[in-house]
Amino acid sequence: DGGITQSPKYLFRKEGQNVTLSCEQNLNHDAMYWYRQDPGQGLRLIYYSQIVNDFQKGDIAEGYSVSREKKESFPLTVTSAQKNPTAFYLCASSPGLAGIKEQFFGPGTRLTVL
Amino acid sequence: DQQVKQNSPSLSVQEGRISILNCDYTNSMFDYFLWYKKYPAEGPTFLISISSIKDKNEDGRFTVFLNKSAKHLSLHIVPSQPGDSAVYFCAASAFLLGYGGSQGNLIFGKGTKLSVKP
Repeated sequence: DGGITQSPKYLFRKEGQNVTLSCEQNLNHDAMYWYRQDPGQGLRLIYYSQIVNDFQKGDIAEGYSVSREKKESFPLTVTSAQKNPTAFYLCASSPGLAGIKEQFFGPGTRLTVL
Repeated sequence: DQQVKQNSPSLSVQEGRISILNCDYTNSMFDYFLWYKKYPAEGPTFLISISSIKDKNEDGRFTVFLNKSAKHLSLHIVPSQPGDSAVYFCAASAFLLGYGGSQGNLIFGKGTKLSVKP
């Protein structure tokens, strides 16, 4: 089955700890994205990557870091510098710079920082 | 400043009637528009899209209308069903022009929560 997986679905961490959220896709998509959703808010772009070994900051990149060492994987690290990390995190992918414009989303990870 | 606005946070409709969800945008460079549907604690799923060269796109019970002069689009669901109850996000992209140097990036509205009552 082709798709995007995010793990875990729920994650709890103590304040001050870094935490890494996993995102894997087997759709052979070039581009991958991380969004954050807060109650009553739309999806805000954290980071995106259009190709392996390259990524760009989105609108709210502060306190986050990413890597794109493999085409199918785009992990997001929420660092202790992120002032309000509790949120629902969504990973997405799309075929790339041309062609289909839709992004396909994973099921999300809800991070709660205690 | 919000470039994609969904001014109604919620909408309640009776089963079988029409649901109309609205979306306004400010950036005239946007040339591709999408609607996503999202259930709680799940990722959004793509519903329907429209290119700026069209003013209407239909897929089953879902129709999207685009009024470029008003910078407005709407999603019509007819007939509405209880299973349509979800949050609907409007998104826009300046895909062809590569807005912001990042082709394909989507700008999302805040969403409208649709409740369809039996």
